[in-house]
Amino acid sequence: QQQVKQSPQSLIVQKGGISIINCAYENTAFDYFPWYQQFPGKGPALLIAIRPDVSEKKEGRFTISFNKSAKQFSLHIMDSQPGDSATYFCAASKKGGSEKLVFGKGTKLTVNP
Amino acid sequence: KAGVTQTPRYLIKTRGQQVTLSCSPISGHRSVSWYQQTPGQGLQFLFEYFSETQRNKGNFPGRFSGRQFSNSRSEMNVSTLELGDSALYLCASSLGKAQETQYFGPGTRLLVL
Repeated sequence: QQQVKQSPQSLIVQKGGISIINCAYENTAFDYFPWYQQFPGKGPALLIAIRPDVSEKKEGRFTISFNKSAKQFSLHIMDSQPGDSATYFCAASKKGGSEKLVFGKGTKLTVNP
Repeated sequence: KAGVTQTPRYLIKTRGQQVTLSCSPISGHRSVSWYQQTPGQGLQFLFEYFSETQRNKGNFPGRFSGRQFSNSRSEMNVSTLELGDSALYLCASSLGKAQETQYFGPGTRLLVL
């Protein structure tokens, strides 16, 4: 059972465009939703995270939109740059004293110059 | 602060052998989580250790085990290796207060022949 579904698998955008990656979750006990960015040969790195008490969080060019009733959240990358080309993972976790993250399967983003 | 380090970075083993991977967390971090990353299944949680105790475990067979030492360093062991164990094994460390930022190491690439 895939608890966090991520789409699309791959995405190609032009420099300066907007990249949008979507995730949906099933478990209503999830209450923390981070996004990770992974470059080839590196481990994932936290990009931005949100909790369900807010509907949107923005950090620089990166914005998370969160829809609790639909159990969906998305990452928007404004003014996409070639340096943003990487694989992006959404994830979710629930309270309970554990750091376990449930990841989506990832989106490979390519930003063409 | 030094980041999360993992050794070795690359490993080639044959079926039936066993392997031990090591992870040194960021100084001061008490939680270490292990993940398996494959192209087909993505990032899957193996287990988490906090203060030398296993706090959570994923859905992996008993061939996968781990431990944590008093200095928070962690090891994971895979016995009786199978071809399907070929993967990138990532460890992540955090303060361990639940839903804190997890910092990933570069991973150990394991190839089972």
